[in-house]
Amino acid sequence: NAGVTQTPKFRILKIGQSMTLQCAQDMNHNYMYWYRQDPGMGLKLIYYSVGAGITDKGEVPNGYNVSRSTTEDFPLRLELAAPSQTSVYFCASSYIQTSRPGNTIYFGEGSWLTVV
Amino acid sequence: AQKITQTQPGMFVQEKEAVTLDCTYDTSDPSYGLFWYKQPSSGEMIFLIYQGSYDQQNATEGRYSLNFQKARKSANLVISASQLGDSAMYFCAMREVPGAGSYQLTFGKGTKLSVIP
Repeated sequence: NAGVTQTPKFRILKIGQSMTLQCAQDMNHNYMYWYRQDPGMGLKLIYYSVGAGITDKGEVPNGYNVSRSTTEDFPLRLELAAPSQTSVYFCASSYIQTSRPGNTIYFGEGSWLTVV
Repeated sequence: AQKITQTQPGMFVQEKEAVTLDCTYDTSDPSYGLFWYKQPSSGEMIFLIYQGSYDQQNATEGRYSLNFQKARKSANLVISASQLGDSAMYFCAMREVPGAGSYQLTFGKGTKLSVIP
């Protein structure tokens, strides 16, 4: 019963490096999300996907890229890492069937990223 | 204007007492959902309770209940009989339908609850 799995859990990057945060879900959810959480703040949406092959920007997309080649996987790519990208990153998924607001979003355990 | 406002950065409660965490929201969508999540120091996001905008009764889940006042646009979380394990950050979140089409959750800044023995 894995749910949403994120890797790595911790990572230190140097300024200008690139990396990919991996996310996988095994619940056959159509919607997937990437959020970031800065210290003392709530979560902000980076990118989301409504299904394989379809992605769209959220509130804070600059400096990130995503892809969704399969239903299960939704990796987040950081290009040219900057100190402002030091944050905790959460991948999440949800099954949206109709225009009903009650579908729970399930979160991964988070990935702590530090850019130095 | 913020969509979700949590005015209490931190709260203290004595063990076994009840505590109310405040949340107000702003939306023009007729259909929306309100969620509360708990984030312990380990960092994971744990779903607690959900209230739909058309639900007639306040939601309850064990020791958690949601005091939903639609006209005032408030959705306060009530935790009864607080336990030491309730010490955590608590986030109120809203999903608007159709909103921006992402069905995303918009989060407040959170309230840090500390339970005192």
